[in-house]
Amino acid sequence: DAKTTQPTSMDCAEGRAANLPCNHSTISGNEYVYWYRQIHSQGPQYIIHGLKNNETNEMASLIITEDRKSSTLILPHATLRDTAVYYCIVPMDSSYKLIFGSGTRLLVRP
Amino acid sequence: EAQVTQNPRYLITVTGKKLTVTCSQNMNHEYMSWYRQDPGLGLRQIYYSMNVEVTDKGDVPEGYKVSRKEKRNFPLILESPSPNQTSLYFCASSVQGARDTQYFGPGTRLTVL
Repeated sequence: DAKTTQPTSMDCAEGRAANLPCNHSTISGNEYVYWYRQIHSQGPQYIIHGLKNNETNEMASLIITEDRKSSTLILPHATLRDTAVYYCIVPMDSSYKLIFGSGTRLLVRP
Repeated sequence: EAQVTQNPRYLITVTGKKLTVTCSQNMNHEYMSWYRQDPGLGLRQIYYSMNVEVTDKGDVPEGYKVSRKEKRNFPLILESPSPNQTSLYFCASSVQGARDTQYFGPGTRLTVL
């Protein structure tokens, strides 16, 4: 998997947007960026993924820079239930596993 | 509802007593895998399976066995559990591999005394 770098922790106020950055400067042209999150000891949960274009679903938006070396996950209106560890992962084409780094611990404050 | 189920969710056992943690998915996925999660070490893959009767080692396979006799089931077997296998275990599945969206089970917290 391409190496990813994320801040260790972040916080935001409930109701505000949470913007979680990820650097993946070694990403290859056909590698997707995936975001998962893990809410306290629960199974990791898929959030969103993208290749080049910005993506949006019911959970979040993903903004990928034009050079694809970084991306930002946006939770538009964070709630307390969004408090979790967020993982940015770039699996290789031939990869048989996901490499979970340390992720970003997001704390949503009331 | 599409889901991955694991049983048991919690288990306390003693050293050397064989145990099996079951994993089942109802999405007709070909790919399944097992991870363990430990404080400070993150999630590490134990074994994975690309399809029925096809399994392979992940990063930390020692002390574990798996089987894939049916597409929907991927049990994790600890023949002789030891205290260093105390961990939180997750099963995951996807359509074909790691590049596909992974669906994780709720986890099994295992304590080996």
